[in-house]
Amino acid sequence: DAGVTQSPTHLIKTRGQQVTLRCSPKSGHDTVSWYQQALGQGPQFIFQYYEEEERQRGNFPDRFSGHQFPNYSSELNVNALLLGDSALYLCASSFGEAETQYFGPGTRLLVL
Amino acid sequence: GIQVEQSPPDLILQEGANSTLRCNFSDSVNNLQWFHQNPWGQLINLFYIPSGTKQNGRLSATTVATERYSLLYISSSQTTDSGVYFCAVERRSNYQLIWGAGTKLIIKP
Repeated sequence: DAGVTQSPTHLIKTRGQQVTLRCSPKSGHDTVSWYQQALGQGPQFIFQYYEEEERQRGNFPDRFSGHQFPNYSSELNVNALLLGDSALYLCASSFGEAETQYFGPGTRLLVL
Repeated sequence: GIQVEQSPPDLILQEGANSTLRCNFSDSVNNLQWFHQNPWGQLINLFYIPSGTKQNGRLSATTVATERYSLLYISSSQTTDSGVYFCAVERRSNYQLIWGAGTKLIIKP
């Protein structure tokens, strides 16, 4: 049973560019959450997708957007990249409400 | 919003030692999880424990929801226990995990 997978593992972009990160949830899971983790800090909630809709959003600007597909996989898009967007981006999947979240290995984004 | 505080921020121990990590939260929650993040960044679920006590091998956790704290116990530490331990909580119907800043644990051989 495959766990949560993310791609790519590493990415280098320059300021002003756009990036798309991808996540496939654990088998049987229907909910995907995205987190940003800056170096030395805990993860910060970006948003959660359920039934192809954004169900909840954290305190992130509109430059951060997402999508969930019918097979429950998800994308995170970040436009107009800033240096401060450099971080580890984590995807987590779960089933139902208030359930344990399982995390993927993350995508390390470096913005130069 | 809800605040999550973890202590201590850093902990250095010799192999074989026991440790207790603490997580305080400022409001009632319906979900509390402990995670271990290894040096490569992978987050591993340790416990889903909104209340009560659970044990898994050398690790155990206790959450006292009425007093808004949770404890993670690690016994007979091994070098592979090194990493950062996070506590994360979720408010009812809020769907988002709020994370503490973590406890960085280093186990020396």
